[in-house]
Amino acid sequence: QQQVRQSPQSLTVWEGETAILNCSYEDSTFDYFPWYWQFPRESPALLIAIRPVSNKKEDGRFTIFFNKREKKLSLHITDSQPGDSATYFCAATSNYNVLYFGSGTKLTVEP
Amino acid sequence: DPKIIQKPKYLVAVTGSEKILICEQYLGHNAMYWYRQSAKKPLEFMFSYSYQKLMDNQTASSRFQPQSSKKNHLDLQITALKPDDSATYFCASSQDRGGLQDTQYFGPGTRLLVL
Repeated sequence: QQQVRQSPQSLTVWEGETAILNCSYEDSTFDYFPWYWQFPRESPALLIAIRPVSNKKEDGRFTIFFNKREKKLSLHITDSQPGDSATYFCAATSNYNVLYFGSGTKLTVEP
Repeated sequence: DPKIIQKPKYLVAVTGSEKILICEQYLGHNAMYWYRQSAKKPLEFMFSYSYQKLMDNQTASSRFQPQSSKKNHLDLQITALKPDDSATYFCASSQDRGGLQDTQYFGPGTRLLVL
């Protein structure tokens, strides 16, 4: 059973638009939700993360919206730039720090 | 300077052989992990170690054996290699296991191809 699900699988937006990446999870004990991004031929790197005590986490153009009741979260990227083109992974973990990753959303930002 | 070193960067092996993937971290972290990434399963947790002790194992096959000779080393031995083992293997580390701000940092990966 997949613990973390992501949609869409791929997404293309124009430069300046807002990209919305979706994530849902199964395990209600998850208490930390990092988003990682990965550029081609590179390793995943932490982008932004949220804990259930908050329903929103903002870092510059990147914002996580979190809905604990529905077990859903989304990553919004405003004013998207071509340099944001990457694969974005939603992950979740409980206090044992085993990261369960979704299958990723490949974002392409067209200039 | 790279903080997490993985060796080799690329590895080609024949079916049935055995290989060891090396990971060293110089972040002063106490927890280390192995993940696998392939076309079939994008990022899959394999093992976690804390203070050189195995904490979590979600790898069904005993052909995969982590080895920790030092606190900042976590190697991965893979025996009886199969073509399905072809993947990129990422080592990661964090300050500790289960801490509130416990970001995991990933190494550059070892890309394994089994023929």
